[in-house]
Amino acid sequence: EAQVTQNPRYLITVTGKKLTVTCSQNMNHEYMSWYRQDPGLGLRQIYYSMNVEVTDKGDVPEGYKVSRKEKRNFPLILESPSPNQTSLYFCASSFLGALTDTQYFGPGTRLTVL
Amino acid sequence: SQQGEEDPQALSIQEGENATMNCSYKTSINNLQWYRQNSGRGLVHLILIRSNEREKHSGRLRVTLDTSKKSSSLLITASRAADTASYFCATDARGDDKIIFGKGTRLHILP
Repeated sequence: EAQVTQNPRYLITVTGKKLTVTCSQNMNHEYMSWYRQDPGLGLRQIYYSMNVEVTDKGDVPEGYKVSRKEKRNFPLILESPSPNQTSLYFCASSFLGALTDTQYFGPGTRLTVL
Repeated sequence: SQQGEEDPQALSIQEGENATMNCSYKTSINNLQWYRQNSGRGLVHLILIRSNEREKHSGRLRVTLDTSKKSSSLLITASRAADTASYFCATDARGDDKIIFGKGTRLHILP
């Protein structure tokens, strides 16, 4: 089944404790992206990747890192999480760009930073 | 800066009625998309409309794009309870690979 998977789905952590949220897609998509969703603010793009080893900042990249070592995986890294990074995070992928093609979204990761 | 803004923020209608949501944006775009999100779940792509298109249909969905007014509308005809969700428009800005989502319209279909 074609899908985007994220792990973990729920995470509660403490300030400063490094964490990684994994994202994997099995559709051979070139484009992958991370978003955060906060009440009243909609979805905001954190980072995106047009292909392996190519990553770019979105609208809200501060406090996040990503890597794209292989086509299928696009992990989101929070080196030193802070409470303002408490949010619902979505990973998405598409064959081409975010707006030239259909994006497929993962189920989301709800992160709470205490 | 916010590129897409949906209007209204929330909409409640009776089942069977038509629902119309609007999206306005600030700068010239290449494409515009509409997505649906059921509560707390991932977004689902509904329709993509390119800047040189004026109208597209997909089942009960009709999307229009007016580039002169920098606005788009999503019409859902003969609404059903399953249409209850949040609807987002997403745009790019010419010369930019970033995607900007609006804050969404919460649609509630009343039985």
